[in-house]
Amino acid sequence: EAQVTQNPRYLITVTGKKLTVTCSQNMNHEYMSWYRQDPGLGLRQIYYSMNVEVTDKGDVPEGYKVSRKEKRNFPLILESPSPNQTSLYFCASSLAGQGRRYTFGSGTRLTVV
Amino acid sequence: GESVGLHLPTLSVQEGDNSIINCAYSNSASDYFIWYKQESGKGPQFIIDIRSNMDKRQGQRVTVLLNKTVKHLSLQIAATQPGDSAVYFCAETPFSGTYKYIFGTGTRLKVLA
Repeated sequence: EAQVTQNPRYLITVTGKKLTVTCSQNMNHEYMSWYRQDPGLGLRQIYYSMNVEVTDKGDVPEGYKVSRKEKRNFPLILESPSPNQTSLYFCASSLAGQGRRYTFGSGTRLTVV
Repeated sequence: GESVGLHLPTLSVQEGDNSIINCAYSNSASDYFIWYKQESGKGPQFIIDIRSNMDKRQGQRVTVLLNKTVKHLSLQIAATQPGDSAVYFCAETPFSGTYKYIFGTGTRLKVLA
């Protein structure tokens, strides 16, 4: 089944403790992106990657890092999480080119206390 | 399930009736538009898309209408079913040249039995 897989689904952590949210897709998509979703703010882009070893900042990149060493994986790293990073996170992927339709993962609910 | 928005506009529709969900987009340069459906606890799922050279596009039970003059997009769902209950987002982007999407904050559709 074509899908984007995120792990974990739920995570509660403490301020300052480094964490990684994994994202993997099995559709050979070139483009991958991370979003956070907060009430009243919609989906906001954190980082995106147009292909292996090519990443760039989205609208809200502060406090996050990403890497794209393999085409299928695009982990999101929070080096020192803070409570304002408590949110619902989505990874998405699409083919490159025109008419890009995202396939989203199921989401990761992160709580930083 | 996951809460994607505590104060989203809500549309309540009787089962079997038609639903119309509206979206005002912001960027005159946007020429590709997508509707996504997000069910509780899941990631957004592609429903239908339309390019700016079209005014209307139909899918299975869904129709998207685009009015470029007033920068307005609508999603029509025929014979609304309980499984249509979800949050619906519109997204806009230039068709080529960028992978930047702008997502709306969404409308919650409630289907009444």
